[in-house]
Parts: sequence; structure tokens; C-alpha cells
Amino acid sequence: EAGVVQSPRYKIIEKKQPVAFWCNPISGHNTLYWYRQNLGQGPELLIRYENEEAVDDSQLPKDRFSAERLKGVDSTLKIQPAELGDSAVYLCASSDRVGNTEAFFGQGTRLTVV
Amino acid sequence: GNSVTQMEGPVTLSEEAFLTINCTYTATGYPSLFWYVQYPGEGLQLLLKATKADDKGSNKGFEATYRKETTSFHLEKGSVQVSDSAVYFCALGSYIPTFGRGTSLIVHP
Repeated sequence: EAGVVQSPRYKIIEKKQPVAFWCNPISGHNTLYWYRQNLGQGPELLIRYENEEAVDDSQLPKDRFSAERLKGVDSTLKIQPAELGDSAVYLCASSDRVGNTEAFFGQGTRLTVV
Repeated sequence: GNSVTQMEGPVTLSEEAFLTINCTYTATGYPSLFWYVQYPGEGLQLLLKATKADDKGSNKGFEATYRKETTSFHLEKGSVQVSDSAVYFCALGSYIPTFGRGTSLIVHP
């Protein structure tokens, strides 16, 4: 069974430019998470989807970040415009249900803003 | 709110040494507890989990016991190998899964 797939693996952009990350979760997983992981830190939740509905987005900086999950499958996370402080690894994870259950992670996208 | 506190790393050990990585948590309700491992260049993957108090999770020689009275979930392994070198994350499950900051383990031959 294929795992969570993210692309691209690496991205280098200049500040003020837009950037987008894509995630394909495990088939059948209704719950999808986007996390940001700063260097030397644990993952911090940005947004959680149940099917196509964003149900936890309190940590998403909505002035510059947006996300969508069309048809409740693939998801895209966008930053526009990017700032130097956005440099981090962006992780996507999915699970088959919400709550006390294991999350399956993709390899992440390492973003460097210069 | 929920939080997870892990011991700071890096933890540096010789092969076959005993490993303990401390983890304590603050949570409402009775969350499941997890240890994830991140090998260099890879994503996080589940190492073990425990779903209720006094449960012991185990995998690949690693163990952790869900201690409700001390709100702890310490990770242990009796004899580490070089291949165990990675970053280990303690996490609690909830509607918003919460992770510790990670502890880097370096095992020397």
C-alpha cells in the first residue's frame, strides 16, 4: 500500500514569492493534517481536515497561508507571500479516523526562503 | 491545553548501552500515547503506542508504559544499536495530535 506522498521534497524561493505544497494521503483516510516542523522542534499542527472540511485551522496564519482539500482526497497548502520565517519542513499526515489514532506521515517538503 | 515535554538531546550512547528517553504530558481526558521515530531524510513513523493507563507498547526492542499517576511515557531499550540513531518524538493523540520537540539519539559503535 502506498504511503502518504508529498511533493516537492525541497523548495527554495525568494521572500515575497508564492509557494505551494501537495499531499496525497493514504487511500481511504478521511483525516488529513498539515504540520510545520521548525529545526530542532516537533511538528506543530497547522490545519486538520475531515474529508473536505477544515475543522481545526486555528494555528494557520490566514493572512498568508491557505489550504484546500478538494473532493476530500488530495490537499494543497499555499503560502503567499512567503517570509524568511516560513523556512521549515511542512509535513502532511493522514489517519483513518479522528482522535486517539496513529497518524501516517509523508516525507515532508523542506522549504527555504531566501 | 495538551502538551508534551521530552528530555533534551542529543543523547549519545555506545552500542549495547541502555536507553531511556523521558516524556511527560499534560492532557485532558485519556489520550493515547505514541512514540514516533524519524530517521535521517525520512518522515515520522510510528514506533509504538499505548491506548490506556498501564498499557505497555513495544516494538523493535523498544518499550514504553503509560503511567497515568506520573503522567509519563518514558521510552526504553535494553541494548541500542547504531541503526537506532534517529530523532524520537513523544506524542499524545487527540483531535489535535500534540508532539514533543524530539530527542536526538546518537549511537556510536
